[in-house]
Amino acid sequence: DQQVKQNSPSLSVQEGRISILNCDYTNSMFDYFLWYKKYPAEGPTFLISISSIKDKNEDGRFTVFLNKSAKHLSLHIVPSQPGDSAVYFCAASDGGGSQGNLIFGKGTKLSVKP
Amino acid sequence: DTAVSQTPKYLVTQMGNDKSIKCEQNLGHDTMYWYKQDSKKFLKIMFSYNNKELIINETVPNRFSPKSPDKAHLNLHINSLELGDSAVYFCASSQDLRGYEQYFGPGTRLTVT
Repeated sequence: DQQVKQNSPSLSVQEGRISILNCDYTNSMFDYFLWYKKYPAEGPTFLISISSIKDKNEDGRFTVFLNKSAKHLSLHIVPSQPGDSAVYFCAASDGGGSQGNLIFGKGTKLSVKP
Repeated sequence: DTAVSQTPKYLVTQMGNDKSIKCEQNLGHDTMYWYKQDSKKFLKIMFSYNNKELIINETVPNRFSPKSPDKAHLNLHINSLELGDSAVYFCASSQDLRGYEQYFGPGTRLTVT
């Protein structure tokens, strides 16, 4: 039973345009959400996060939006750059409840074309 | 300086062998983890340790045994390797048990033949 779902396995975007990566979750106990970026043959690297008490968090070109009622979050990258091409994982945590256990989605492969 | 390091990066071995993967973090974090990324690309938690104590032990065969000699190290020993153990194994660490921001190592690709 997947608690965190990324339904788009891949996304292709033109350089300079907006990339929107989506993530849905089922567990209402999740209180913190994260996006990780992964290049081939490397470990995931933390990108941006959002607490469940917020609906938006912005860091440079990256913005994460959270819609709790829909149990949906999205990552916006504006403007997209070729170096953003990677696999993006959505992850969720219920903090102390699961003792630090992050539940990951399956990932979305983003390709940004020059 | 690499924050979370793993050795080896690649490991090819035969069924039935016993192998170990080492992990070290120099971030001063209290909590460390082992994840498995299988052929379907899911990243799944296997174990977590906090200050050398086992906190999470997901449904993992007891052929897998983590060992934490100190809070900067979490090694993974695998006995009697099977074909299905082939995967990429990631070590990670976080400041504390809340685990909100976890820092990952580069991964160890294990291939069992």
